[in-house]
Amino acid sequence: DIQMTQSPSSLSASVGDRVTITCRASQVLTNYLAWYQQQPGKVPKLLIYAGSTLQSGVPSRFSGSGSGTVFTLTISSLQPEDVATYYCQGYYSAPFTFGPGTKVDI
Amino acid sequence: QVQLVESGGGVVQPGRSLRLSCAASGFPFSTYAMNWVRQAPGRGLEWVAVISYDGKNKYYADSVKGRFTISKDNSASMLYLQMNSLRGEDTALYYCARGDYYNGRGSYELHGFDMWGQGTTVTVSS
Repeated sequence: DIQMTQSPSSLSASVGDRVTITCRASQVLTNYLAWYQQQPGKVPKLLIYAGSTLQSGVPSRFSGSGSGTVFTLTISSLQPEDVATYYCQGYYSAPFTFGPGTKVDI
Repeated sequence: QVQLVESGGGVVQPGRSLRLSCAASGFPFSTYAMNWVRQAPGRGLEWVAVISYDGKNKYYADSVKGRFTISKDNSASMLYLQMNSLRGEDTALYYCARGDYYNGRGSYELHGFDMWGQGTTVTVSS
């Protein structure tokens, strides 16, 4: 089974900062990598799929890149509403493992 | 209205059973694979099970294999999770989530889990 790791596990940044989160898979995912945002007390929300495709309605300050086994999620200018935990997930074949999450604070 | 609504959660003793339901509306349910994902209190997301668009293929996380069964009624737009031999570590908020789309022409669109319900809480405790 594919294992997912994320770094850092948490971070604190200021409004307007550029934030980058890294996700690593134990096996090649091609580009079947998704990023989710879970704001405190809320339902997870798909931000990016296929490694870099922005889900409809997601602000353009979010972007994804990478391929193979290393992927990144970037928030170009952190906003107060971006306080959340971010999860990566490989979804090509089951099990669809999630990463452990990265908690982002301001 | 495009939505997923879970139900069936509750407090149950270890070793007992529970059946979760997820009612889908506003989209062609029969063309989508569906998933269950859970989140223990204060913990991250854990994928539990997936069922193909037609209900013929099912896969489970090792942690629930042999105890949980996922099923799908396309005529009623309903997803289910039968949970047997429940353990304390199954205590979590359970979400249903929409997965891959089958276009009816032999290919799939893989786009992650693009729709989630609000979740239903399962507490396993004596």
